[in-house]
Amino acid sequence: DAGVIQSPRHEVTEMGQEVTLRCKPISGHNSLFWYRQTMMRGLELLIYFNNNVPIDDSGMPEDRFSAKMPNASFSTLKIQPSEPRDSAVYFCASSSGGLSTDTQYFGPGTRLTVL
Amino acid sequence: AQSVTQLDSQVPVFEEAPVELRCNYSSSVSVYLFWYVQYPNQGLQLLLKYLSGSTLVESINGFEAEFNKSQTSFHLRKPSVHISDTAEYFCAVSDRDQKVTFGTGTKLQVIP
Repeated sequence: DAGVIQSPRHEVTEMGQEVTLRCKPISGHNSLFWYRQTMMRGLELLIYFNNNVPIDDSGMPEDRFSAKMPNASFSTLKIQPSEPRDSAVYFCASSSGGLSTDTQYFGPGTRLTVL
Repeated sequence: AQSVTQLDSQVPVFEEAPVELRCNYSSSVSVYLFWYVQYPNQGLQLLLKYLSGSTLVESINGFEAEFNKSQTSFHLRKPSVHISDTAEYFCAVSDRDQKVTFGTGTKLQVIP
């Protein structure tokens, strides 16, 4: 099992550019989570999907952020336009069953730097 | 609303000494409690979790945590730490709505 796959691992971009982060969850998992980790704010849940449907996007900071899950094996998090304060490590995680007792399996993260 | 408090942002400890990482939570409903570990430049991975039953849960690498409902705590302990335990540890709580709330993390630094 390859685990949760994220790409790219590192992204450096300039302010105002569009950024797209990608995630492939573990096969068979039906819940997917996007998190952001910064020194100042710790680990924040941005959005989570169950069976490809967004369930809770209350953590998405503003309209510049959007997330999609077109099928069970792929999700994207897009930032447009990007700003320096978006610099962070973005994690994708998946779990099976869609229950609160389920373990979340995290990807290695994408380190985003916006100049 | 649920919340998790990890009072210690950093905990230095000498190798082979015992350690306790503190976690307190608040929730208005039944909760499920987790400890995740993050090694440098990696994602989080589950260390152990409490769902129900015995209040003492153990991990395969010697950590244990005890659910204390009266004190709303879920402290993580290990009787003898190794260099390889150096990492950041996150306590988390979830409720029936599946939303997981993570604490701010505690960096464990094991000193040779």
